[in-house]
Amino acid sequence: EAGVAQSPRYKIIEKRQSVAFWCNPISGHATLYWYQQILGQGPKLLIQFQNNGVVDDSQLPKDRFSAERLKGVDSTLKIQPAKLEDSAVYLCASSFFLGPETEAFFGQGTRLTVV
Amino acid sequence: AQSVTQLGSHVSVSEGALVLLRCNYSSSVPPYLFWYVQYPNQGLQLLLKYTSAATLVKGINGFEAEFKKSETSFHLTKPSAHMSDAAEYFCAVLTGANNLFFGTGTRLTVIP
Repeated sequence: EAGVAQSPRYKIIEKRQSVAFWCNPISGHATLYWYQQILGQGPKLLIQFQNNGVVDDSQLPKDRFSAERLKGVDSTLKIQPAKLEDSAVYLCASSFFLGPETEAFFGQGTRLTVV
Repeated sequence: AQSVTQLGSHVSVSEGALVLLRCNYSSSVPPYLFWYVQYPNQGLQLLLKYTSAATLVKGINGFEAEFKKSETSFHLTKPSAHMSDAAEYFCAVLTGANNLFFGTGTRLTVIP
């Protein structure tokens, strides 16, 4: 079975520019997560979707970050405008449903460098 | 709120030696705990998880972890380290919203 697909793998932008990341979860997975992993730190949840509804976006900096999951499948995470501290790896993950008995599968991530 | 703390950001072991990576949790309810591994430029891969069925959990690649309520710990072990085990390891706990809260990670180096 195909894994979680993310693109692009790498992105370099200047501060104040905008950027978008794309995620295609595993087929049939209702739950989709976006995590931010800053160098030397563990992944931090940005937003969690159940189908096309938001379950948790409490740690999403909503003044500059936005995410959507149209039709409950693919998802896009956008940053506008980017700051230097947004440099990180952005990981997308998906799971079949919400709950401890399921496993979250992670994509390879998009490494963002803001200069 | 649930959280985890990983002790030691870097651990070095000799090939063939015991691997011990430490994780302590904080939770007001019985926790669901996970260990993930991340190889360079890769996503995270689940090693094992504790969901209250058994306190000793066996995972992939010879790793196991023991849930100890009295110590609020969920340490990861492997009897004999292999070069291919060199990676970053993350402990995580499932939050009330059914997403993962990760520790800061431990980088494992295996010395030949």
